[in-house]
Amino acid sequence: NAGVTQTPKFQVLKTGQSMTLQCAQDMNHEYMSWYRQDPGMGLRLIHYSVGAGITDQGEVPNGYNVSRSTTEDFPLRLLSAAPSQTSVYFCASSYSSRPYGYTFGSGTRLTVV
Amino acid sequence: AQSVTQLDSQVPVFEEAPVELRCNYSSSVSVYLFWYVQYPNQGLQLLLKYLSGSTLVKGINGFEAEFNKSQTSFHLRKPSVHISDTAEYFCAVRSTTDSWGKFQFGAGTQVVVTP
Repeated sequence: NAGVTQTPKFQVLKTGQSMTLQCAQDMNHEYMSWYRQDPGMGLRLIHYSVGAGITDQGEVPNGYNVSRSTTEDFPLRLLSAAPSQTSVYFCASSYSSRPYGYTFGSGTRLTVV
Repeated sequence: AQSVTQLDSQVPVFEEAPVELRCNYSSSVSVYLFWYVQYPNQGLQLLLKYLSGSTLVKGINGFEAEFNKSQTSFHLRKPSVHISDTAEYFCAVRSTTDSWGKFQFGAGTQVVVTP
């Protein structure tokens, strides 16, 4: 089925470890983004990309890196995990020029201990 | 920059009763407006959107929303809820001049439907 695929669904990390959250979409969307969801705070934009090779920071970028080498993939890297990064992470994509709104992945629940 | 305020963090409602979820926004420029729904342990799904034209927008699952420019509001309504409407609902805005995808989300409203 077409959509946004995120892996893994669950992850537990120790403080200081690094990891990559994977995101792939098969809808040829130009725009991809990463959000984190925390209770009472809604979704906050971490990083986004308007096309292959182009990325930019969102509202809460510290501690995260991204790259976009292909249209389909947009991985999110945690460089040195901290307990404050415990959250649910969502990847989302959309066309850059059509007002269809986002298509979201099903999320990655990350716990940093 | 835009901001979104969802005025209720939780709304309890009985099955078959109506529900209204309130959303106010602030922006110095024109905006597009969206409502998303998140069922437990799932990602967000688009319920409806306002881009232009009629201020009353109908979405999926019997929901509708009304854009009120003078009050900068975009409240979501459903005349009769079902147990399956239990979910978290997010209002989102995007400036008409920003690239697609650069949304600002509200904090969410948890709807709990009981028999």
